[in-house]
Amino acid sequence: QQKVQQSPESLSVPEGGMASFNCTSSDRNFQYFWWYRQHSGEGPKALMSIFSDGDKKEGRFTAHLNKASLHVSLHIRDSQPSDSALYFCAASERTGNYKYVFGAGTRLKVIA
Amino acid sequence: DAGVTQTPRHEVAEKGQTIILKCEPVSGHNDLFWYRQTKIQGLELLSYFRSKSLMEDGGAFKDRFKAEMLNSSFSTLKIQPTEPKDSAVYLCASSKNTGQLYFGEGSKLTVL
Repeated sequence: QQKVQQSPESLSVPEGGMASFNCTSSDRNFQYFWWYRQHSGEGPKALMSIFSDGDKKEGRFTAHLNKASLHVSLHIRDSQPSDSALYFCAASERTGNYKYVFGAGTRLKVIA
Repeated sequence: DAGVTQTPRHEVAEKGQTIILKCEPVSGHNDLFWYRQTKIQGLELLSYFRSKSLMEDGGAFKDRFKAEMLNSSFSTLKIQPTEPKDSAVYLCASSKNTGQLYFGEGSKLTVL
């Protein structure tokens, strides 16, 4: 079983809508999270990190972490067609630790 | 600053051939990673270097996969001999003590 589970596998939202992604770690050692986005034909690019309980907002992107349940979510408000991509959650044992475990990803399609 | 550069972008090999993929990390980054990406397995770590020293060699990938870091600005991944199941996108990433990974655009390998 993968240590990091993501849901849903895919998601379609209308332009201007809210896209939400979920990620859960099954290993209590892995509780520091990053979100990455990968457009077709490109490498993944980091969106944001979250290491503390609560919300973290960067522009249209908001991440939420609950360390007790090892659950992290990412929300994109006012979704744009350019947000259509594969979204990965990555977990590590501590900040600055490089033994990342990646989830399988959620494919987002924003419909214009 | 230049990002991570990977060459070639596409490679087609016959079964049994030797292929070498190349990576130039972001200047000043001291961590370098090689990942394999497939739709079924997602992102799998092949190798991890810190300051040119091999820290992780990806366990299951040891026998036919060999990554080297010849200097701080150049790394290679050799697959020898190639098998059809090696068909995948190979991603190189670098990092500088922040935990954020900077990925190249990947090398897509097709083994016939």
